[in-house]
Amino acid sequence: EIVLTQSPGTLSLSPGERATLSCRASQSVSSSYLAWYQQKPGQAPRLLIYGASSRATGIPDRFSGSGSGTDFTLTISRLEPEDFAVYYCQQYGSSPPGGTFGQGTKVEIK
Amino acid sequence: QVQLQESGPGLVKPSETLSLTCAVSGYSISSGYYWGWIRQPPGKGLEWIGSIYHSGSTYYNPSLKSRVTISVDTSKNQFSLKLSSVTAADTAVYYCARQLGATDYWGQGTLVTVSS
Repeated sequence: EIVLTQSPGTLSLSPGERATLSCRASQSVSSSYLAWYQQKPGQAPRLLIYGASSRATGIPDRFSGSGSGTDFTLTISRLEPEDFAVYYCQQYGSSPPGGTFGQGTKVEIK
Repeated sequence: QVQLQESGPGLVKPSETLSLTCAVSGYSISSGYYWGWIRQPPGKGLEWIGSIYHSGSTYYNPSLKSRVTISVDTSKNQFSLKLSSVTAADTAVYYCARQLGATDYWGQGTLVTVSS
């Protein structure tokens, strides 16, 4: 089983700043199968990025994903107030899906 | 707009079977995609439980496989989860979701507490 480790655990930033979140895999992950989700309190996760770098429908372009192999990054170019949330990475299969999630990174207001 | 809605008991006794149903609207399950269940213990991270293809093929998390059954009813456009022999460790918010690799649509989630 692939283990995903996210860092940092918590990121304290101000609105307007740039956020860089890391997701490291215990073994190589196909770039086609790495996703990022945003979760706010009391809500279901929302898909932001799939295939390591493709934005999901309706996701603003301030969110971008990059990386390959075992190291992946989610970047939020300029934090908006609504971006303060917990972010999860996930490696998944194509057929079947499934996969594992990282433990999450909380982006909080400084 | 695809919408998913979980339903089922919010309280289950230890050793009993947890049963949840997910009603799908805005998309026909028989048209494709995988349909899955994901859970999140209070204050913790996400865990994939299992998925079912519209044809009925099922895929389960190996750590839960011996206790999980997922089924689909295309006539009602819904799919279901059964998790047997539950313990307090199974207390979580359970989400149903649509998956094509990544999970693009999620239900709002339902909290299931395992307690006597």
